[in-house]
Amino acid sequence: DQQVKQNSPSLRVQEGRISILNCDYTNSMFDYFLWYKKYPAEGPTFLISISSIKDKNEDGRFTVFLNKSAKHLSLHIVPSQPGDSAVYFCAASPRYAGGTSYGKLTFGQGTILTVHP
Amino acid sequence: EAGVTQSPTHLIKTRGQQATLRCSPISGHTSVYWYQQALGLGLQFLLWYDEGEERNRGNFPPRFSGRQFPNYSSELNVNALELEDSALYLCASSVGVYSNQPQHFGDGTRLSIL
Repeated sequence: DQQVKQNSPSLRVQEGRISILNCDYTNSMFDYFLWYKKYPAEGPTFLISISSIKDKNEDGRFTVFLNKSAKHLSLHIVPSQPGDSAVYFCAASPRYAGGTSYGKLTFGQGTILTVHP
Repeated sequence: EAGVTQSPTHLIKTRGQQATLRCSPISGHTSVYWYQQALGLGLQFLLWYDEGEERNRGNFPPRFSGRQFPNYSSELNVNALELEDSALYLCASSVGVYSNQPQHFGDGTRLSIL
């Protein structure tokens, strides 16, 4: 039962353009969402997060959008740079105590982003 | 500020042996989490410790266990190692789960079972 899905295994974008990475979830108890970037041989690096009380959060070149009714979130990177080439994971967790999901992040399978000149 | 540190970087064991992996959280973080990333699979939640107590565990057999020390560092122990335990084991820490704070990850321990 994959509760967090990233349906695009890979994405190729030209430098300077917008990168849009998508993520869908099924568990309605999730209300905190995060994006991580991972380079080979390194651990995931936290990029940006959003709580379910918001529908948008920005941090520099990174913006996360949350559509609760569609159970969908997306990460926009503008402008994309070659150094953004990495695997991007979305993750979700519930806010309140209770249930087997409490305290843990549930990850998608990742999307490989390649930013080319 | 030092990040999450894990040791060793690589660990090679044979079937049936026991492995111990170590994690030091970011200063001020009280929660430590362990995840497994096996080849071809995503990150799977293993264990969560907070204030020295196990708060939640994922769908893993009891031979996966751990503990958290008074200084908030943590150990993950895997007994009776099996070939399918070969994976990258990631540790993360956060200030706690009672407010929305991100988990920050170390670079992992690569465990190889021969």
